[in-house]
Amino acid sequence: SYVLTQPPSVSVAPGQTARITCGGNDLGSKSVHWYKQKPGQAPVLVVYDDSDRPSGIPERISGSKPGNTATLTVTRVEAGDEADYFCQVWDGRDDRVVFGGGTKLTVL
Amino acid sequence: QVQVVESGGGVVQPGRSLRLSCVVSGFDFSIYGMHWLRQSPGKGMEWVAVISFEGSNTHYADSVKGRFTISRDTSENTVYLQMNSLRREDTAVYFCAKDRTDYNYEYVFDSWGQGTLVTVSS
Repeated sequence: SYVLTQPPSVSVAPGQTARITCGGNDLGSKSVHWYKQKPGQAPVLVVYDDSDRPSGIPERISGSKPGNTATLTVTRVEAGDEADYFCQVWDGRDDRVVFGGGTKLTVL
Repeated sequence: QVQVVESGGGVVQPGRSLRLSCVVSGFDFSIYGMHWLRQSPGKGMEWVAVISFEGSNTHYADSVKGRFTISRDTSENTVYLQMNSLRREDTAVYFCAKDRTDYNYEYVFDSWGQGTLVTVSS
C-alpha cells in the first residue's frame, strides 16, 4: 500500500524558516495537501494541490513539490505556528486516501 | 463562517452500535460532499467514508466497509455515521469534514469539526 513519509519533528527558532517534507513513491503524479493541527483542535487545510493556499492562510506558508518530495515551508516562524503538520494524497491506484504520519513543528 | 459540529461519541462495548451526527452551517450544504475521518494515537489520521453532495454515492475505507454507513439529511444540514459491529480498533476521535470541491468530491478536506471521541471497550 502507498506510504507517505514525514520526519517526526522539526525545530526552528522564531523568525527562521521551517521546512517539512513529505515523500512518497511517484509523488510527482499526485496532488499533495497539507493540514495544520494544534492539540485538541480541528485540523486546518493550509495548502492544497501541492502549492495553492485556501483563503485566510498567510503567504508565509507555502507548498512546493519538486520531484517525489513535497515540502511545506513556513517563513518567519511564530509561536502560533507550533503544531502538527501532516500531508495527504489520494492514491488512485488503490482507491484510497493516504495521510503522512505527521510532523511536530516546535518553535524554540 | 463555516461551522462543523460532531456529536454522538461515547463509550460502547465491542459488537455494539453507535451513531454519530455532524451538523454544519455557513455554506450551501446541498452542493458539497462530506467525509468522516478518524484519528487515533497508534494509527494517525485515517479517512473513513464520503457521501456525495446529493447523497447517491458513498465510498468507504476497507477497514469499515460493511459495518459503517454514511448518510445525510439536507433538510437538517446533517451528516450521519452509523457504526455497527464496533471493534476495539475503532477507538478514535471521529471528525466530520467538508470536501473543498462543489458538486463532486476530491478528497481535500477544507473545513473540519472538533471531533467526537468514540471508545470501544468492555
